Amino acid sequence: DSGVTQTPKHLITATGQRVTLRCSPRSGDLSVYWYQQSLDQGLQFLIHYYNGEERAKGNILERFSAQQFPDLHSELNLSSLELGDSALYFCASSGLAGGATTGHTQYFGPGTRLTVL
Amino acid sequence: DQQVKQNSPSLSVQEGRISILNCDYTNSMFDYFLWYKKYPAEGPTFLISISSIKDKNEDGRFTVFLNKSAKHLSLHIVPSQPGDSAVYFCAASPYNQGGKLIFGQGTELSVKP
Repeated sequence: DSGVTQTPKHLITATGQRVTLRCSPRSGDLSVYWYQQSLDQGLQFLIHYYNGEERAKGNILERFSAQQFPDLHSELNLSSLELGDSALYFCASSGLAGGATTGHTQYFGPGTRLTVL
Repeated sequence: DQQVKQNSPSLSVQEGRISILNCDYTNSMFDYFLWYKKYPAEGPTFLISISSIKDKNEDGRFTVFLNKSAKHLSLHIVPSQPGDSAVYFCAASPYNQGGKLIFGQGTELSVKP
């Protein structure tokens, strides 16, 4: 158990809908990262938040947004869903802000499996 | 462009022997490299990491080697155990990019008794 929790575990929805995925980081961790794992791709970085502020963005679609709240939990919002958004969405946390001289050990949650029909 | 590559999608090894998983990268601007293990229906689990200024790091049965001139890293597992059967991902962290990780495609290791 990494200490990172994600809800829900599974989500089935229809095209055009909007969903919210939730992540609670390990106790004391200030950084939250979101990743997407599609069937034909490896883990793709989406976005990083540190203590409530956005730190880095990856290949995140404009239909997707995220935020980190004062209690440090994070939510990933996916809207106007398409079939291709079906994937595993992982959240990870670390105690670090990230940077050139720091280690980047990230601890992953169990993921949310999103199925868009 | 795939900056981190694991060219072997699968590897089969006998229990007790050495498992060697390989990873190549194309960008010199990485400061840390990490290996994760993933079981089905679970999130990736951190195994071991190495700084770009080192060439070896060891933790129990796991050793990671970094060859910067060849832009290559490898994970050695000795001795391999059936419980090591999983998908192994290498990941790299670019300098000054907020701590994001760039992952390879993964190698599925099967350790046979």
